[in-house]
Amino acid sequence: GQQVMQIPQYQHVQEGEDFTTYCNSSTTLSNIQWYKQRPGGHPVFLIQLVKSGEVKKQKRLTFQFGEAKKNSSLHITATQTTDVGTYFCAGLGTGANNLFFGTGTRLTVIP
Amino acid sequence: DAGVIQSPRHEVTEMGQEVTLRCKPISGHNSLFWYRQTMMRGLELLIYFNNNVPIDDSGMPEDRFSAKMPNASFSTLKIQPSEPRDSAVYFCASSLQGRVYGYTFGSGTRLTVV
Repeated sequence: GQQVMQIPQYQHVQEGEDFTTYCNSSTTLSNIQWYKQRPGGHPVFLIQLVKSGEVKKQKRLTFQFGEAKKNSSLHITATQTTDVGTYFCAGLGTGANNLFFGTGTRLTVIP
Repeated sequence: DAGVIQSPRHEVTEMGQEVTLRCKPISGHNSLFWYRQTMMRGLELLIYFNNNVPIDDSGMPEDRFSAKMPNASFSTLKIQPSEPRDSAVYFCASSLQGRVYGYTFGSGTRLTVV
């Protein structure tokens, strides 16, 4: 069955360092969504990527969708303590039949 | 907009008791999802409604779980009888249309079955 894997599972960075999480699907995706969940909170939608090779930016966050539409990445430049949380990717299968959430990457930012 | 509203926020119940979780989606959103989150299994889709009709309930663990959406503004997830392994955070989410658009999650219900 379809799977969406994320790496790394955990990441500790010093404040000001960059951070990247990677998302890989076993099959081609229609789109990919990214969510952030603060500790004790709920997932919050960040962005959706649809096109092959698409790159979108939100301030210090850069999202990429691979050319084959099977992988994606989220890069945070110069992390801040407010970036702490778990980042999930969620891939939509080509039949729009299901949205598969990745396992998440838990980011800790050390002040 | 108040967002997706879930109640209760916390529920502690004894094994064997019935538990009912409630959700009010965002007005105008015609898709509603129930998810369960645990450390071991992450976010699992339990059931997906579109226009109040269950479309995909393949994630419902077993007959002890049931979900209803009697109208566009209300849904319930019921567990009867509850078991300790049902302990988790249950999220309700809604979206404008199906799985194509981003989901808005509620704050969740933390269920503990003792």
